[in-house]
Amino acid sequence: EDKVVQSPLSLVVHEGDTVTLNCSYEVTNFRSLLWYKQEKKAPTFLFMLTSSGIEKKSGRLSSILDKKELFSILNITATQTGDSAVYLCAVEVPANAGKSTFGDGTTLTVKP
Amino acid sequence: EAQVTQNPRYLITVTGKKLTVTCSQNMNHEYMSWYRQDPGLGLRQIYYSMNVEVTDKGDVPEGYKVSRKEKRNFPLILESPSPNQTSLYFCASSLSMGLAGGGEQFFGPGTRLTVL
Repeated sequence: EDKVVQSPLSLVVHEGDTVTLNCSYEVTNFRSLLWYKQEKKAPTFLFMLTSSGIEKKSGRLSSILDKKELFSILNITATQTGDSAVYLCAVEVPANAGKSTFGDGTTLTVKP
Repeated sequence: EAQVTQNPRYLITVTGKKLTVTCSQNMNHEYMSWYRQDPGLGLRQIYYSMNVEVTDKGDVPEGYKVSRKEKRNFPLILESPSPNQTSLYFCASSLSMGLAGGGEQFFGPGTRLTVL
């Protein structure tokens, strides 16, 4: 059974801090790993990673994938209160094209 | 505006009373999917559809049905709802999910269902 584990489950930081969120996976095969942000509503897409070692970056957010060690990290630098959200990691495998397995999410709270 | 819409947004019903949650997308996406989200848990996939008339089970399909008669619509049917189906439901669509390389999903606003 495919498995996606995120850590930590929750995190409280102050504005300006840098955070690292982790996502590890155990899947029979691998196609892509995606990060989403969920703020009390529908998840919105952040990054899609398919290749090891290539960093994806968008403003203060960045993410990288390690296909050998089967994990990804999501970094947020200079955090702001608007970064407070649940961050979800999902893995897609080609053997079951269309099937998507999500982790339980990391709840990030950024205090002023 | 490109979007995924769901109706109703909120529903309180009783055990055993059949209900349908509609989902529609206007982006001409071939892939659509239903998820449920429970407190402290991520999204669990119920059913997905790679194209019209093609549907497959996700991780938690028991108690649910779907149909895909048109590309834009993907209704979720609960024939005999039970209290353990009380949850927040999301519909999603994707242009490239399931194809080589995978792809991002666009989510609807969610339907909060309570079964008494």
